[in-house]
Amino acid sequence: SYELTQPLSVSVALGQTARITCGGNNIGSKNVHWYQQKPGQAPVLVIYRDSNRPSGIPERFSGSNSGNTATLTISRAQAGDEADYYCQVWDSSTMVFGGGTKLTVL
Amino acid sequence: QITLKESGPTLVKPTQTLTLTCTFSGFSLSTSGVGVGWIRQPPGKALEWLALIYWDDDKRYSPSLKSRLTITKDTSKNQVVLTMTNMDPVDTATYYCALYDFWSGYYGYWGQGTLVTVSS
Repeated sequence: SYELTQPLSVSVALGQTARITCGGNNIGSKNVHWYQQKPGQAPVLVIYRDSNRPSGIPERFSGSNSGNTATLTISRAQAGDEADYYCQVWDSSTMVFGGGTKLTVL
Repeated sequence: QITLKESGPTLVKPTQTLTLTCTFSGFSLSTSGVGVGWIRQPPGKALEWLALIYWDDDKRYSPSLKSRLTITKDTSKNQVVLTMTNMDPVDTATYYCALYDFWSGYYGYWGQGTLVTVSS
């Protein structure tokens, strides 16, 4: 079965750039979507199809996908960006989520 | 305005069957490209995809849970029902339903989730 690998945690200083990776075999050939989940809340889509932002998501959120790694980039990180982030793809008619990354803003 | 809400028992006993209902508004499950899926999250753990039903009644299931899951829809009632048989304490989780965009492959709207505890 297809696996997506995310770092358990990422820390970023306030106002700096955070990068959260999502690794998978030839993930660059798939569409990757990213969700943000704050404590006690449902996930929210922040990036779809690798690099597209839904309406209402700040331009500070961006994404890329190539080779075996997809990356969610959060520029000028704010305290409100502290959350868990999950990547998601489809593989052989099966939806797969990554294990999630906890972003801490210092 | 699109909304989804999960409903069902908060406590089930081991070996029992869980039935969850997702009631939604703001879209129709008869519209081409629309799907509703179920995702769960054990306390403190990651999201896990369970099942998805499309506007044309096509269905997809998690391979690891396929034998225990059934997803159905009632378009007239704007509801999707998930049943999971033979519940076990490891199935304790928050269960979410979400609106799926077939053309893009993502869940754009999520319900608030419902916590189901499996315990005798």
